[in-house]
Amino acid sequence: DADVTQTPRNRITKTGKRIMLECSQTKGHDRMYWYRQDPGLGLRLIYYSFDVKDINKGEISDGYSVSRQAQAKFSLSLESAIPNQTALYFCATSGVLGETQYFGPGTRLLVL
Amino acid sequence: ILNVEQSPQSLHVQEGDSTNFTCSFPSSNFYALHWYRWETAKSPEALFVMTLNGDEKKKGRISATLNTKEGYSYLYIKGSQPEDSATYLCAPTVGKLIFGQGTTLQVKP
Repeated sequence: DADVTQTPRNRITKTGKRIMLECSQTKGHDRMYWYRQDPGLGLRLIYYSFDVKDINKGEISDGYSVSRQAQAKFSLSLESAIPNQTALYFCATSGVLGETQYFGPGTRLLVL
Repeated sequence: ILNVEQSPQSLHVQEGDSTNFTCSFPSSNFYALHWYRWETAKSPEALFVMTLNGDEKKKGRISATLNTKEGYSYLYIKGSQPEDSATYLCAPTVGKLIFGQGTTLQVKP
């Protein structure tokens, strides 16, 4: 079984709709992250959480919100989706500072 | 915002060629430097984590070096194979990882 899972894997939605992407991990890590990947732009950090009570904005948090429901779960929400949020979204987890991040399989989102 | 630069952006080599790429980052507040390998349609996978100036890591034909004083790391691939084709990301840690845009390597048979 995968250590980091994401649901859904693919999603098509319409402008203005609310959508939630979910991430679960079985690695027992405290730190979790949400990234988006756009062609030519690499991985950009949206939000990160160092524990259940610690949520931080990344470099591109506008238009997104997150919820850390438990150590193992970290959800990303698009309150009102817009076409330029079409991207590949990755969740990742890590242990303490400086340790390797482990990535989920990604969610491909298309906003029409 | 930490500025991380990788060069070249893309690289095409023949099977058997050796190659290397560069990751540059501000040397202040440095904690660790990660290299990831990212194949098309897959998730990034960790290659190396380095923390000390002068660190060298090796995994098979791939190796990396770190210079924290001048703020750069090199990734080397010896005798490239088609299966090495991927995007290679570097990411220094300053509280959190900041990813470079990657170097995309294509190895032609």
